[in-house]
Amino acid sequence: EAGVVQSPRYKIIEKKQPVAFWCNPISGHNTLYWYRQNLGQGPELLIRYENEEAVDDSQLPKDRFSAERLKGVDSTLKIQPAELGDSAVYLCASSSLAGSPGGTDTQYFGPGTRLTVL
Amino acid sequence: AQSVTQLDSQVPVFEEAPVELRCNYSSSVSVYLFWYVQYPNQGLQLLLKYLSGSTLVKGINGFEAEFNKSQTSFHLRKPSVHISDTAEYFCAVTFSYGQNFVFGPGTRLSVLP
Repeated sequence: EAGVVQSPRYKIIEKKQPVAFWCNPISGHNTLYWYRQNLGQGPELLIRYENEEAVDDSQLPKDRFSAERLKGVDSTLKIQPAELGDSAVYLCASSSLAGSPGGTDTQYFGPGTRLTVL
Repeated sequence: AQSVTQLDSQVPVFEEAPVELRCNYSSSVSVYLFWYVQYPNQGLQLLLKYLSGSTLVKGINGFEAEFNKSQTSFHLRKPSVHISDTAEYFCAVTFSYGQNFVFGPGTRLSVLP
């Protein structure tokens, strides 16, 4: 079974430029998460999707960040314009709420995209 | 507010020695608890999880954790570590089914030869 796929793995841009990250979750997983992980810290949720609906985007800086999950499968996270403080690793995760209670809600993570804003 | 504390930011330990990584959470309701490991330049991988039942949970790579409700803790242990266990370890909690995870700040485990 393929895991969560993210691209690109690394991105270096200058401030004020736009950037986009792509995520393809595990097949059949209806829940998709975008996290930001700053250096030396744990992941912090940006947005959570249930199928194509964003059910929690309270931590997403909406002035410059946007996300979409058309057709409820893969997703794109965009930053426009990027700022120096956006340098971080952006992680995508997916989970399935279906199945037995023992399989409840484990999140499976992709390798992340490391963004460097100069 | 929900929170997870990992008091030790770094834990150096010699190879084949035992190790315990501490995790405490704040909640007055039922929780689901997870430990993830992150190797350099990789995503997070699930080590183990507690959903209900036995408070001693066994995971991959010889790790185990014990849920202690009275102390609101979920410490991770391994009786004998290997060099390959060097990584960042994150404790995470979710407070109800289908809700968001809250991650701790992580503990960097360094296994020394």
